[in-house]
Amino acid sequence: DIQMTQSPSSLSASVGDRVTITCQASQDIRNSLIWYQRKPGKAPTLLIYDASYLETGVPSRFSGGGSGTHFTFTISSLQPEDFATYYCQQYENLPFTFGPGTIVDIK
Amino acid sequence: EVQLVQSGAEVKKPGESLKISCKGSGYPFLSYWIGWVRQMPGKRLEWVGVIFPNDADTRYSPSLQGQVTISADKSINTAYLQWSSLKASDTAMYFCARSVYGSGTYPFGAFDIWGQGTMVTVSS
Repeated sequence: DIQMTQSPSSLSASVGDRVTITCQASQDIRNSLIWYQRKPGKAPTLLIYDASYLETGVPSRFSGGGSGTHFTFTISSLQPEDFATYYCQQYENLPFTFGPGTIVDIK
Repeated sequence: EVQLVQSGAEVKKPGESLKISCKGSGYPFLSYWIGWVRQMPGKRLEWVGVIFPNDADTRYSPSLQGQVTISADKSINTAYLQWSSLKASDTAMYFCARSVYGSGTYPFGAFDIWGQGTMVTVSS
């Protein structure tokens, strides 16, 4: 199975801050990477697919990049509704696998 | 409104069987892959498998193949995840989700619409 790691595991930030999360795959997954947001007690929400494509309706302050084994996810200006956990997921090889998540909380 | 509505929480004993459901509405159910994702207590999200309801093409995580069965009833726009003999290690929250944006390798991939989750607890 492809192992997905994320860093940091958690971070504290303020409204307006720029936040960047990284996701690393244990082998080349080309650009087959997704980013989800998840709030407590809720199902995940799709934000980005194919590493850098913004899902319809998702605010442009969210962005993604990278390919191969190293990926980044950025929130350009953190908003109050963005405090949540963010997960990456690869869909290059079965079984698709998820990262452990990065908790973004309020400083 | 596009939505997936899952069946309610279940409490079962080891060895019992179970079938949980996921009903889609607001979109052409037969045209999208439906997947299942689980989260065991304290663990990360885990991909279980997917089904294409129109022809019942099904793919499983190799570690779960033979442990669960994914099926769909086209007539009522519903997908299912079932166990013939539950184990305590099946205790988890199970989500169904609609799959879009496949990779170059698979016609399925990202999940854009999720159900609310079904908590399955297996305990003696």
